[in-house]
Amino acid sequence: DAMVIQNPRYQVTQFGKPVTLSCSQTLNHNVMYWYQQKSSQAPKLLFHYYDKDFNNEADTPDNFQSRRPNTSFCFLDIRSPGLGDAAMYLCATSRELLVQETQYFGPGTRLLVL
Amino acid sequence: EDQVTQSPEALRLQEGESSSLNCSYTVSGLRGLFWYRQDPGKGPEFLFTLYSAGEEKEKERLKATLTKKESFLHITAPKPEDSATYLCAVQAAGSARQLTFGSGTQLTVLP
Repeated sequence: DAMVIQNPRYQVTQFGKPVTLSCSQTLNHNVMYWYQQKSSQAPKLLFHYYDKDFNNEADTPDNFQSRRPNTSFCFLDIRSPGLGDAAMYLCATSRELLVQETQYFGPGTRLLVL
Repeated sequence: EDQVTQSPEALRLQEGESSSLNCSYTVSGLRGLFWYRQDPGKGPEFLFTLYSAGEEKEKERLKATLTKKESFLHITAPKPEDSATYLCAVQAAGSARQLTFGSGTQLTVLP
C-alpha cells in the first residue's frame, strides 16, 4: 500500500546530542511537511519542502533543520535537543502545494530527551 | 489570525449513544476544512474534506457537516473502536501549505 513511513517510531536521545528522524513516502507526492505535536496539543508546522524548495516557518527554531535528498525521503535534524523538544514528530505529504490538497500523515516518531 | 476551537475537549459515550463534536473556526477565506482521526501514539488519519457551507460527507458511522462558522462531526451509534482523538483543521485562501489545527476532541466510547 502507498503510504508515509517514519523511522524510528520511538527515539531516545540525550540533552544536546544531535538526532535525525526519517520519513519516506511511496505516494510520489511533491510536498513533504514536518510537524511537531506535544501532548494534547495541535500539530505545529515546522517546515515543508515543495520538491527541492525548502520553506521554514517563521517561528521554527534554528535548532531544527531538514534535508530532502530525493522525492521519497525527508529528514528532520535536531542539532542540540533540549528537554522542550520532547514531542511527537509527524511527517506529512501532499500531492501538490495547492489549496484544498489533502495532507496525509505518517505514524509519527516519539522523541524523548533525557 | 486563523483560529480553530474544538469542543468538547473530551467526550465519553456509551456504545450506541449518538453525539456530535464541534469545530468552530475563524479564517479569512476558507478553502477547506479537514477532519482527521488520531489514535494514541499514531499520526492523524484523514477522514473528510469539506469545501463550502452546506456540504456534508459520510463514512460509516461518521457524518461531517459545514456552515460558515463551524463544522460538526456527528457520530451515530458509536462503537468502542471509534474511540480516538478527532482533529479539525482549516486551510485559508493563499495558504496552501498551512493547516491550522484545533486541539482535538478526545472521544471515549464505553462498551
